[in-house]
Amino acid sequence: QVQLQESGPGLVKPSETLSLTCTVSGGSISPYYWSWIRQPPGKGLEWIGCIYYSGKTSYNPSLKSRVTISIDTSKNQFSLKLRSVTAADTAVFYCGRTSDYDGSGGPIDNWGQGTLVTVSS
Amino acid sequence: QLVLTQSPSASASLGASVKLTCTLSSGHSSYAIAWHQQQPEKGPRYLMKLKSDGSHSKGDGIPDRFSGSSSGDERFLTISSLQSEDEADYYCQTWGPGIWVFGGGTKLTVL
Repeated sequence: QVQLQESGPGLVKPSETLSLTCTVSGGSISPYYWSWIRQPPGKGLEWIGCIYYSGKTSYNPSLKSRVTISIDTSKNQFSLKLRSVTAADTAVFYCGRTSDYDGSGGPIDNWGQGTLVTVSS
Repeated sequence: QLVLTQSPSASASLGASVKLTCTLSSGHSSYAIAWHQQQPEKGPRYLMKLKSDGSHSKGDGIPDRFSGSSSGDERFLTISSLQSEDEADYYCQTWGPGIWVFGGGTKLTVL
């Protein structure tokens, strides 16, 4: 049973860079798509971006200028960097896997438990 | 633009059935979607993938009480024999070239 676990600082200062890592256990990181999703307190889910095990990325156009997603297949991990954060970036961040890719995307069929990141000085 | 629209709330009685709707934006009626459940204070759980022809494949351990269907640009999630633990937020999700999209979610209250 594949499990995903997010890790990283729970508090980030405004204007700094938010960095999170998702560790995949119980299975291989290839050949799947891996996403980051966030959920501000009391609000809905927002897709941030995803990466294929080969390193190919796609990003939400609304966040693209501030986001970088990378992957380390040797460690079975992928990571998120969100630059120049503000209080509006405070959210629970989830990582997820898409295994059923139909050529343009697929369902997020495995979710991490999420980690809360607060942006505050 | 690829957009999913969901009603903010729904309610149904314990033991009854409820049908939640997710509507695809114009021009995207052939798209498949996924349904996810988020119980209070928990992370999302994948329920199923639902195609435009109504065929669906469920995630591991999802009860038979959960089923999906489609009609035109609408995708439905039906939950039968409602239980108290079905009270949750339900999100639909779809995808296109280079983009994944979530609907705004429906909060289901079990009366």
